[in-house]
Amino acid sequence: DGGITQSPKYLFRKEGQNVTLSCEQNLNHDAMYWYRQDPGQGLRLIYYSQIVNDFQKGDIAEGYSVSREKKESFPLTVTSAQKNPTAFYLCASKGELGQPQHFGDGTRLSIL
Amino acid sequence: QKEVEQNSGPLSVPEGAIASLNCTYSDRGSQSFFWYRQYSGKSPELIMFIYSNGDKEDGRFTAQLNKASQYVSLLIRDSQPSDSATYLCAVRNENEKLTFGTGTRLTIIP
Repeated sequence: DGGITQSPKYLFRKEGQNVTLSCEQNLNHDAMYWYRQDPGQGLRLIYYSQIVNDFQKGDIAEGYSVSREKKESFPLTVTSAQKNPTAFYLCASKGELGQPQHFGDGTRLSIL
Repeated sequence: QKEVEQNSGPLSVPEGAIASLNCTYSDRGSQSFFWYRQYSGKSPELIMFIYSNGDKEDGRFTAQLNKASQYVSLLIRDSQPSDSATYLCAVRNENEKLTFGTGTRLTIIP
C-alpha cells in the first residue's frame, strides 16, 4: 500500500535529550514537510524539502533539525534547544506542482 | 490579521441538514485552497480542493471559492454524525507554501 508512515506513534523525551521522529513515504513524492500542531491550533510549518539533499526552514524551525538523504525519508530531530516540544507532529508529502499534501498518522511527543 | 481565518465553533448542525463552514484569507496571491477533516487525535485527511472561482462538488461536499472576496467555504449536505470533526482550511500561495487556519469544530446532532 502506498502511503506515509510516521513512527513512533507516541514518544517521550527527557530533559536535555534529543529525539528523532521518523517519516517514510513510498509515493515517489519529491516534496516532504514537517508540521507541529498544538491543542486547538492549526498546523505550523517546521521544515520542508522539495528535493533530496535540500531543505528549508519553515515558520518555527528553531530547536529542530532535519535531513533528506533519501527521497523516501525525511526524519525530524527535536533537540534539547526546543523548550516546549510537547505537541502532535505531522509529516506530509506532495507529488507534482499544484497537487495537495497528504499526511501521515502523526507522532505525539510528550515530556517526561 | 491572521493569514487564514476560520470561526473556531463549535458549530452544531442537526443530522440531515446542511453544514456550512467558512474561511477567509489575506494573501491575494493565493493559488489553491484545501479543506481537511481532522477527527480528534487523528491526522488531517483531505476532503476537497479548489483552484478556480465557483463551486466544485464531490458527493455530499461542495467547495465554493470567491477570490474577489478572498473567501472559501465548504458545504456538507445531508450531514451525518460521522461528519463530526474539526475542519481545517488551508491556502497555498504562488511559492507553494501552505498556510492553515485553526479549524472549525463541527458537531452533527442526531
